[in-house]
Amino acid sequence: GAVVSQHPSWVICKSGTSVKIECRSLDFQATTMFWYRQFPKQSLMLMATSNEGSKATYEQGVEKDKFLINHASLTLSTLTVTSAHPEDSSFYICSARDQGSGGKTQYFGPGTRLLVL
Amino acid sequence: AQSVTQLDSQVPVFEEAPVELRCNYSSSVSVYLFWYVQYPNQGLQLLLKYLSGSTLVKGINGFEAEFNKSQTSFHLRKPSVHISDTAEYFCAVSDHTGTASKLTFGTGTRLQVTL
Repeated sequence: GAVVSQHPSWVICKSGTSVKIECRSLDFQATTMFWYRQFPKQSLMLMATSNEGSKATYEQGVEKDKFLINHASLTLSTLTVTSAHPEDSSFYICSARDQGSGGKTQYFGPGTRLLVL
Repeated sequence: AQSVTQLDSQVPVFEEAPVELRCNYSSSVSVYLFWYVQYPNQGLQLLLKYLSGSTLVKGINGFEAEFNKSQTSFHLRKPSVHISDTAEYFCAVSDHTGTASKLTFGTGTRLQVTL
């Protein structure tokens, strides 16, 4: 139980294009999902909290117009990197809170590696 | 606000030896504590968690951790490691308040198991 998937696992795109990453909770409902960014050999940096049916809450310094988040259902959140540039290249990881276990635990997806050329 | 300190960035250990990965936290409120493992190019997998109750918590893959409130620590231990335990280990905390408890991560400890 408590499986989170991400799609795609790898994406390479040209500078200036937009990329959408999907995060799904496969066997539980998640009113709250989180999006993280991880640079090589570093810890995870929380980018935003995605709330089902409402606007996302962004961490300080994260451009909300650059990283669009949509949480349209209890099992799906999407992160769209708009007009991507090489500095956006990174490993993006989502997590979902399992409401069934009291919402205290986050389960993570396998991550999406983005390379912007 | 909370913070997590993982003092050891790397821990080399021989196979079948015991290991302890240290984690200390700082918080003005009660916290939940977690250990996650990350294998190369993968997401994070939950190893174990402390929410309440017994301070000794057993997790997957033979790992355990002990919550010590007076020392604000949550060290991870395994009595005998395997090559397959080589990975990055992250300690994390979240507080009891709010409806969207965020996780605060430590900087990670790279466990390198060799023959």
